[in-house]
Amino acid sequence: GENVEQHPSTLSVQEGDSAVIKCTYSDSASNYFPWYKQELGKRPQLIIDIRSNVGEKKDQRIAVTLNKTAKHFSLHITETQPEDSAVYFCAASKGDSSYKLIFGSGTRLLVRP
Amino acid sequence: DGGITQSPKYLFRKEGQNVTLSCEQNLNHDAMYWYRQDPGQGLRLIYYSQIVNDFQKGDIAEGYSVSREKKESFPLTVTSAQKNPTAFYLCASSIDSGSNQPQHFGDGTRLSIL
Repeated sequence: GENVEQHPSTLSVQEGDSAVIKCTYSDSASNYFPWYKQELGKRPQLIIDIRSNVGEKKDQRIAVTLNKTAKHFSLHITETQPEDSAVYFCAASKGDSSYKLIFGSGTRLLVRP
Repeated sequence: DGGITQSPKYLFRKEGQNVTLSCEQNLNHDAMYWYRQDPGQGLRLIYYSQIVNDFQKGDIAEGYSVSREKKESFPLTVTSAQKNPTAFYLCASSIDSGSNQPQHFGDGTRLSIL
Protein backbone atom coordinates (compact mmCIF):
# COMPACT_ATOMS: atom_id res chain seq x y z
CA GLY A 1 0.00 0.00 0.00
CA GLU A 2 0.88 3.66 -0.06
CA ASN A 3 3.62 4.90 2.25
CA VAL A 4 4.45 8.55 2.87
CA GLU A 5 7.75 9.59 4.41
CA GLN A 6 8.26 13.10 5.74
CA HIS A 7 11.50 14.95 6.56
CA PRO A 8 12.76 16.50 8.69
CA SER A 9 10.98 15.52 11.89
CA THR A 10 11.95 18.82 13.49
CA LEU A 11 12.97 22.11 11.93
CA SER A 12 14.11 25.28 13.64
CA VAL A 13 14.48 28.51 11.65
CA GLN A 14 15.04 32.16 12.42
CA GLU A 15 12.09 34.47 11.93
CA GLY A 16 12.12 35.77 8.38
CA ASP A 17 13.96 32.77 6.96
CA SER A 18 12.39 30.16 4.71
CA ALA A 19 11.37 26.66 5.76
CA VAL A 20 11.14 23.61 3.51
CA ILE A 21 9.52 20.29 4.41
CA LYS A 22 9.76 17.33 2.05
CA CYS A 23 7.63 14.24 1.57
CA THR A 24 8.03 11.20 -0.63
CA TYR A 25 5.31 8.76 -1.57
CA SER A 26 5.49 5.22 -2.85
CA ASP A 27 2.37 4.74 -4.99
CA SER A 28 2.67 6.34 -8.41
CA ALA A 29 -1.14 6.31 -8.64
CA SER A 30 -1.39 8.96 -5.92
CA ASN A 31 -2.78 12.17 -7.34
CA TYR A 32 -3.82 14.42 -4.45
CA PHE A 33 -1.41 15.91 -1.90
CA PRO A 34 -2.69 18.11 0.94
CA TRP A 35 -0.71 19.78 3.69
CA TYR A 36 -2.08 20.31 7.18
CA LYS A 37 -0.94 22.54 10.03
CA GLN A 38 -1.66 21.42 13.57
CA GLU A 39 -1.10 23.62 16.59
CA LEU A 40 -0.68 21.96 19.96
CA GLY A 41 -3.86 20.17 21.06
CA LYS A 42 -5.88 21.50 18.13
CA ARG A 43 -7.34 20.14 14.93
CA PRO A 44 -5.26 19.79 11.77
CA GLN A 45 -6.08 22.63 9.39
CA LEU A 46 -5.70 22.34 5.65
CA ILE A 47 -3.27 25.03 4.47
CA ILE A 48 -2.69 24.09 0.86
CA ASP A 49 -3.17 21.16 -1.48
CA ILE A 50 -2.03 20.18 -4.94
CA ARG A 51 -3.29 17.77 -7.54
CA SER A 52 -1.09 15.79 -9.88
CA ASN A 53 -1.99 17.81 -12.94
CA VAL A 54 0.06 20.79 -11.69
CA GLY A 55 3.66 21.12 -10.56
CA GLU A 56 3.41 24.09 -8.22
CA LYS A 57 0.81 26.03 -6.29
CA LYS A 58 1.21 29.19 -4.23
CA ASP A 59 -0.87 30.93 -1.61
CA GLN A 60 0.80 34.05 -0.22
CA ARG A 61 3.83 32.87 1.81
CA ILE A 62 3.10 29.18 1.26
CA ALA A 63 3.90 27.11 -1.80
CA VAL A 64 3.85 23.43 -2.64
CA THR A 65 5.83 21.77 -5.41
CA LEU A 66 5.24 18.32 -6.85
CA ASN A 67 7.68 16.12 -8.77
CA LYS A 68 5.68 13.17 -10.05
CA THR A 69 8.67 11.48 -11.64
CA ALA A 70 10.60 11.43 -8.38
CA LYS A 71 7.42 10.92 -6.33
CA HIS A 72 8.07 13.72 -3.92
CA PHE A 73 6.40 16.97 -2.95
CA SER A 74 7.52 19.82 -0.74
CA LEU A 75 6.05 22.61 1.36
CA HIS A 76 7.83 25.96 1.22
CA ILE A 77 7.12 28.70 3.76
CA THR A 78 8.79 32.04 3.10
CA GLU A 79 9.30 34.95 5.51
CA THR A 80 8.49 32.72 8.46
CA GLN A 81 6.77 34.21 11.50
CA PRO A 82 6.51 32.90 15.08
CA GLU A 83 2.85 32.00 14.45
CA ASP A 84 4.01 29.55 11.79
CA SER A 85 5.35 27.38 14.63
CA ALA A 86 3.32 24.15 14.60
CA VAL A 87 3.42 20.56 13.40
CA TYR A 88 2.96 20.17 9.65
CA PHE A 89 1.68 16.98 8.04
CA CYS A 90 1.77 15.98 4.42
CA ALA A 91 -0.58 13.39 2.98
CA ALA A 92 -1.25 11.53 -0.25
CA SER A 93 -4.32 10.00 -1.80
CA LYS A 94 -4.86 7.84 -4.85
CA GLY A 95 -8.26 9.16 -5.65
CA ASP A 96 -9.68 5.69 -5.93
CA SER A 97 -13.04 4.72 -4.49
CA SER A 98 -11.81 4.96 -0.92
CA TYR A 99 -10.18 8.41 -1.11
CA LYS A 100 -8.10 7.47 1.88
CA LEU A 101 -5.43 9.91 2.95
CA ILE A 102 -2.10 8.45 4.00
CA PHE A 103 -0.26 10.85 6.29
CA GLY A 104 3.40 11.50 6.88
CA SER A 105 4.71 11.42 10.44
CA GLY A 106 4.83 15.20 10.79
CA THR A 107 7.42 17.98 11.06
CA ARG A 108 7.62 20.15 14.12
CA LEU A 109 8.52 23.66 12.94
CA LEU A 110 9.88 26.18 15.42
CA VAL A 111 10.30 29.77 14.27
CA ARG A 112 12.67 31.62 16.60
CA PRO A 113 11.87 35.33 17.11
CA ASP B 1 -14.21 24.14 10.49
CA GLY B 2 -16.99 24.88 12.98
CA GLY B 3 -19.26 22.51 11.05
CA ILE B 4 -17.68 19.39 12.56
CA THR B 5 -18.35 18.84 16.25
CA GLN B 6 -16.67 16.16 18.31
CA SER B 7 -17.62 15.31 21.88
CA PRO B 8 -16.56 14.91 24.53
CA LYS B 9 -13.25 16.78 24.42
CA TYR B 10 -11.77 14.49 27.08
CA LEU B 11 -12.84 10.93 27.87
CA PHE B 12 -11.65 8.36 30.34
CA ARG B 13 -12.15 4.63 29.94
CA LYS B 14 -12.16 2.00 32.63
CA GLU B 15 -10.86 -1.50 32.13
CA GLY B 16 -13.27 -3.63 30.08
CA GLN B 17 -15.49 -0.69 29.21
CA ASN B 18 -16.74 0.36 25.79
CA VAL B 19 -16.85 4.09 25.12
CA THR B 20 -18.40 6.02 22.26
CA LEU B 21 -17.01 9.17 20.69
CA SER B 22 -19.44 11.46 18.94
CA CYS B 23 -18.89 13.20 15.60
CA GLU B 24 -21.54 15.42 14.02
CA GLN B 25 -21.27 17.58 10.93
CA ASN B 26 -23.68 20.12 9.46
CA LEU B 27 -21.76 20.60 6.23
CA ASN B 28 -23.92 18.18 4.24
CA HIS B 29 -20.80 16.14 3.52
CA ASP B 30 -21.21 12.60 2.24
CA ALA B 31 -17.90 11.19 3.44
CA MET B 32 -16.72 10.94 7.05
CA TYR B 33 -13.55 9.54 8.59
CA TRP B 34 -12.06 8.59 11.95
CA TYR B 35 -8.32 8.91 12.63
CA ARG B 36 -6.15 8.06 15.58
CA GLN B 37 -3.16 10.24 16.44
CA ASP B 38 -0.41 9.07 18.78
CA PRO B 39 2.35 11.39 20.06
CA GLY B 40 5.02 12.04 17.45
CA GLN B 41 3.12 10.16 14.77
CA GLY B 42 0.93 11.01 11.87
CA LEU B 43 -2.76 10.28 11.62
CA ARG B 44 -3.84 6.70 11.03
CA LEU B 45 -7.21 5.85 9.53
CA ILE B 46 -9.55 3.73 11.67
CA TYR B 47 -12.79 3.70 9.67
CA TYR B 48 -14.36 5.71 6.90
CA SER B 49 -17.81 6.07 5.41
CA GLN B 50 -18.57 7.28 1.91
CA ILE B 51 -22.33 7.31 2.29
CA VAL B 52 -25.09 6.66 4.79
CA ASN B 53 -25.41 3.03 5.92
CA ASP B 54 -22.01 2.14 4.50
CA PHE B 55 -18.56 2.14 6.07
CA GLN B 56 -15.20 0.53 5.49
CA LYS B 57 -12.29 -0.49 7.69
CA GLY B 58 -9.20 1.63 7.59
CA ASP B 59 -5.68 0.60 8.49
CA ILE B 60 -6.19 0.09 12.24
CA ALA B 61 -9.84 -0.95 12.67
CA GLU B 62 -9.29 -3.74 15.21
CA GLY B 63 -10.94 -2.94 18.54
CA TYR B 64 -13.15 -0.20 17.06
CA SER B 65 -16.65 -0.08 15.60
CA VAL B 66 -18.70 2.59 13.84
CA SER B 67 -22.17 3.23 12.49
CA ARG B 68 -23.53 5.63 9.89
CA GLU B 69 -27.28 5.72 10.33
CA LYS B 70 -27.53 9.42 9.52
CA LYS B 71 -25.60 11.55 7.07
CA GLU B 72 -24.54 14.02 9.73
CA SER B 73 -23.41 11.52 12.37
CA PHE B 74 -20.53 9.01 12.49
CA PRO B 75 -19.96 7.77 16.07
CA LEU B 76 -16.90 5.70 16.94
CA THR B 77 -16.99 3.05 19.68
CA VAL B 78 -13.73 2.06 21.29
CA THR B 79 -14.34 -1.46 22.55
CA SER B 80 -12.65 -3.35 25.36
CA ALA B 81 -10.82 -5.31 22.66
CA GLN B 82 -8.71 -2.22 21.94
CA LYS B 83 -5.91 -2.79 24.44
CA ASN B 84 -4.10 0.49 23.92
CA PRO B 85 -6.83 3.09 23.37
CA THR B 86 -5.01 6.11 24.81
CA ALA B 87 -4.72 8.56 21.92
CA PHE B 88 -6.13 11.68 20.31
CA TYR B 89 -9.08 10.80 18.05
CA LEU B 90 -9.96 13.01 15.13
CA CYS B 91 -13.07 12.93 13.00
CA ALA B 92 -13.06 14.43 9.50
CA SER B 93 -15.47 14.89 6.64
CA SER B 94 -15.29 15.73 2.95
CA ILE B 95 -17.94 16.86 0.54
CA ASP B 96 -17.94 13.54 -1.25
CA SER B 97 -15.73 10.63 -2.04
CA GLY B 98 -15.79 11.10 -5.76
CA SER B 99 -13.12 13.66 -6.53
CA ASN B 100 -10.38 13.97 -3.90
CA GLN B 101 -12.07 16.73 -1.99
CA PRO B 102 -10.24 18.17 1.03
CA GLN B 103 -10.91 16.62 4.40
CA HIS B 104 -11.79 18.96 7.24
CA PHE B 105 -11.30 17.99 10.87
CA GLY B 106 -13.10 18.37 14.16
CA ASP B 107 -11.38 19.47 17.37
CA GLY B 108 -10.72 15.91 18.52
CA THR B 109 -11.35 13.78 21.58
CA ARG B 110 -8.53 12.85 23.90
CA LEU B 111 -9.09 9.38 25.35
CA SER B 112 -7.21 8.12 28.37
CA ILE B 113 -7.28 4.98 30.50
CA LEU B 114 -8.26 5.21 34.15
